[in-house]
Amino acid sequence: DAKTTQPTSMDCAEGRAANLPCNHSTISGNEYVYWYRQIHSQGPQYIIHGLKNNETNEMASLIITEDRKSSTLILPHATLRDTAVYYCIVRVASSGNTPLVFGKGTRLSVIA
Amino acid sequence: GAVVSQHPSRVICKSGTSVKIECRSLDFQATTMFWYRQFPKQSLMLMATSNEGSKATYEQGVEKDKFLINHASLTLSTLTVTSAHPEDSSFYICSATDVGGMSSYNEQFFGPGTRLTVL
Repeated sequence: DAKTTQPTSMDCAEGRAANLPCNHSTISGNEYVYWYRQIHSQGPQYIIHGLKNNETNEMASLIITEDRKSSTLILPHATLRDTAVYYCIVRVASSGNTPLVFGKGTRLSVIA
Repeated sequence: GAVVSQHPSRVICKSGTSVKIECRSLDFQATTMFWYRQFPKQSLMLMATSNEGSKATYEQGVEKDKFLINHASLTLSTLTVTSAHPEDSSFYICSATDVGGMSSYNEQFFGPGTRLTVL
């Protein structure tokens, strides 16, 4: 079972920041927070991951609360191509042989 | 990031026939690959874990005799849907982890998926 809860859907205006929340209140000390997204009819795409510090890469920023029970993925300037289902997943990073368990994710619609 | 390919991207077959889907890690070796299935408007559901050189591990409710998995090399896993029926129509996605890559975080990389339609 997925260990995260996310809102079912969100809308965001093109050019604005998209803030996608995720609750992972039962996260363990050795589990990372991963974010993937799936554009329609494609395989999931890795976005970012973090343990406890905030992270930023060319795609997004990840803000993790101090108690690590929740996080927010930020797309700073959403475009129409960011319309997708976004999945927040917790997983032990060293477990390369452990599959990702997907919840229902958040369907983000970027509107022109 | 690492690249995972799938072939074919889409296939239409008649009920009762078998369909083979290939999953390849193009620029890395993967001792473990995973197979997922996704029905319309639903999330990805793990079907099985494919281990190079050994038998696959199937999730509860997935028939191992119907969904044959072969992981004969470090870069190739195949999923064969035997005696396919319309209810097997779905989007099949594989993934692999580059455990030998530069990153120590073992990101999983996903293939583009194969859409199977059984008539």
